[in-house]
Amino acid sequence: SQTIHQWPATLVQPVGSPLSLECTVEGTSNPNLYWYRQAAGRGLQLLFYSVGIGQISSEVPQNLSASRPQDRQFILSSKKLLLSDSGFYLCAWNPSDRPYEQYFGPGTRLTVT
Amino acid sequence: SQKIEQNSEALNIQEGKTATLTCNYTNYSPAYLQWYRQDPGRGPVFLLLIRENEKEKRKERLKVTFDTTLKQSLFHITASQPADSATYLCARASGSARQLTFGSGTQLTVLP
Repeated sequence: SQTIHQWPATLVQPVGSPLSLECTVEGTSNPNLYWYRQAAGRGLQLLFYSVGIGQISSEVPQNLSASRPQDRQFILSSKKLLLSDSGFYLCAWNPSDRPYEQYFGPGTRLTVT
Repeated sequence: SQKIEQNSEALNIQEGKTATLTCNYTNYSPAYLQWYRQDPGRGPVFLLLIRENEKEKRKERLKVTFDTTLKQSLFHITASQPADSATYLCARASGSARQLTFGSGTQLTVLP
């Protein structure tokens, strides 16, 4: 069966520090992968998506970046965090036989202080 | 711009009643609409998908309808239980990677 992992689960970082969040999917190959952010009390916002290794599309201009160094690994990064980067970061994937369904990881709660 | 909107931020109903949540879209006709459940501090969980050529879809106590004339999808939970309390999100997929645009969600509370 397929599973999706995210780490860390929670993170507290000072303004100006770097960020690296990791997401991995098991039990599937060549999935579409997605990063979303959910700010406190707000909806889910798509940040990046990837249809293959090294292929990244950005939905929102910001100081975040994403990379996909391996088929089932998706990384969200920042060189210098802003207070506004605080939020709940979610990684998701969709199965090739059900491309209109997305399955989410447990999320990372990021607090920038 | 293409929007997907959930009218009610919060809905309280009595246990055993049917909960009905609304999702409206403007300026386009999505081929698919999805509904997700999100519990506090957790990622959304996929519930149901309905295609534009389907009027209704059911899964156990859940039912989704799609009205392209009204540009609206309704999500029903019959015989609601306190365990159904959560935030429910509708979403539409677009683009080659089926990227999702979510509504803001409706927080459902089922009172015992």
